Amino acid sequence: DTGVSQDPRHKITKRGQNVTFRCDPISEHNRLYWYRQTLGQGPEFLTYFQNEAQLEKSRLLSDRFSAERPKGSFSTLEIQRTEQGDSAMYLCASSRGTGSGNTIYFGEGSWLTVV
Amino acid sequence: GEDVEQSLFLSVREGDSSVINCTYTDSSSTYLYWYKQEPGAGLQLLTYIFSNMDMKQDQRLTVLLNKKDKHLSLRIADTQTGDSAIYFCAESKSNYQLIWGAGTKLIIKP
Repeated sequence: DTGVSQDPRHKITKRGQNVTFRCDPISEHNRLYWYRQTLGQGPEFLTYFQNEAQLEKSRLLSDRFSAERPKGSFSTLEIQRTEQGDSAMYLCASSRGTGSGNTIYFGEGSWLTVV
Repeated sequence: GEDVEQSLFLSVREGDSSVINCTYTDSSSTYLYWYKQEPGAGLQLLTYIFSNMDMKQDQRLTVLLNKKDKHLSLRIADTQTGDSAIYFCAESKSNYQLIWGAGTKLIIKP
């Protein structure tokens, strides 16, 4: 069990550019989540996958944001035409989805700075 | 509403016990969680409690749940400098979404 891993850990991009983050969940976890966190705040839910199906998207996830989990394993979160307000830490998490409180394990996060 | 509220700061002396409090609003939440976040890092799950429990203890951590008052607390015994972090309380809104507090920054005084 290597934990949830995210890449890159830090990204600085110019406004208007596209960025993509990757998340590798804990193996055999069928649920995968994306959250966003800004300084001084708790995480905000963005979206959730059960295997390869994207089952829920927050209203925070504008049409510039797209998330995929094509084979039910790793996931990508792409932000198109980045804006300064997109600067935040993007957290990926995974869980088994059953039992043990559906315990959700987080990665170390990907910091995005839009300049 | 879906508010989870926590105090923003808690300062304790090294070796004392820390008690971090949280109130939540959704009485249908089945699980409540405590996560720890160190600077620049992700969220580390510390513990969770099922809503039909009053207390859960795990080494230096004790979680107390008062479901009637929708009050959750985390007690850290013998607080150490390594416990310095932000502690988040979260309630399960559904089987996939957590609602989070803003976090309590624990400051350890020597």
